[in-house]
Amino acid sequence: DIVMTQSPDSLAVSLGERATINCKSSQSVLYSSNNKNYLAWYQQKPGQPPKLLIYWASTRESGVPDRFSGSGSGTDFTLTISSLQAEDVAVYYCQQYNNWPPELTFGGGTKVEIK
Amino acid sequence: QVQLVQSGAEVKKPGASVKVSCKVSGYTLTELSMHWVRQAPGKGLEWMGGFDPEDGETIYAQKFQGRVTMTEDTSTDTAYMELSSLRSEDTAVYYCATAPPLRGSSWHDYWGQGTLVTVSS
Repeated sequence: DIVMTQSPDSLAVSLGERATINCKSSQSVLYSSNNKNYLAWYQQKPGQPPKLLIYWASTRESGVPDRFSGSGSGTDFTLTISSLQAEDVAVYYCQQYNNWPPELTFGGGTKVEIK
Repeated sequence: QVQLVQSGAEVKKPGASVKVSCKVSGYTLTELSMHWVRQAPGKGLEWMGGFDPEDGETIYAQKFQGRVTMTEDTSTDTAYMELSSLRSEDTAVYYCATAPPLRGSSWHDYWGQGTLVTVSS
């Protein structure tokens, strides 16, 4: 099984400042045949279902603001919010899909708040 | 645009079963790969299983094998998730979520609104 570990568990950032969330996988999620990292990021606001932000580790889903960016390769990944807005308060999850089938795995989540 | 509308909240006793539905609109079920994810109160996301379009089979997370059944009614574009032998730890919001119908593209692009299942004696 691939275990996804996120850090920190929570962080508080001032409005307009940068927020950085880390995600580490226990095995590489880089598929050598196509050089793609099978990793996605989601945003979940209170009382709402998750929303897809990024797939292939760095490709933004349509409509996602460009202040959200994903980076990393292999086992270490980062989601960056370049200039935190009030509406970005949420829990963020990473997910690997390299080991599908038979499994998809989420990280434990990182809560982002305003300082 | 895909829309997923789930059935309403359920309260079940320990040992019972629950069946949650997820109605698809905007696309047909055969154009999607349907998965189910749950979230216990105050906890993170937990993938339960999903449809592998390459093999045409539904694959369940090892944790739920033997207790969960995911089915689809393509005539009504409705997916179902049935969980049996419920225990208090199964209290959670259950989400249906789609993935693009390509095995390598298994991120979840559309989500239902969630169905709260409460297991209590």
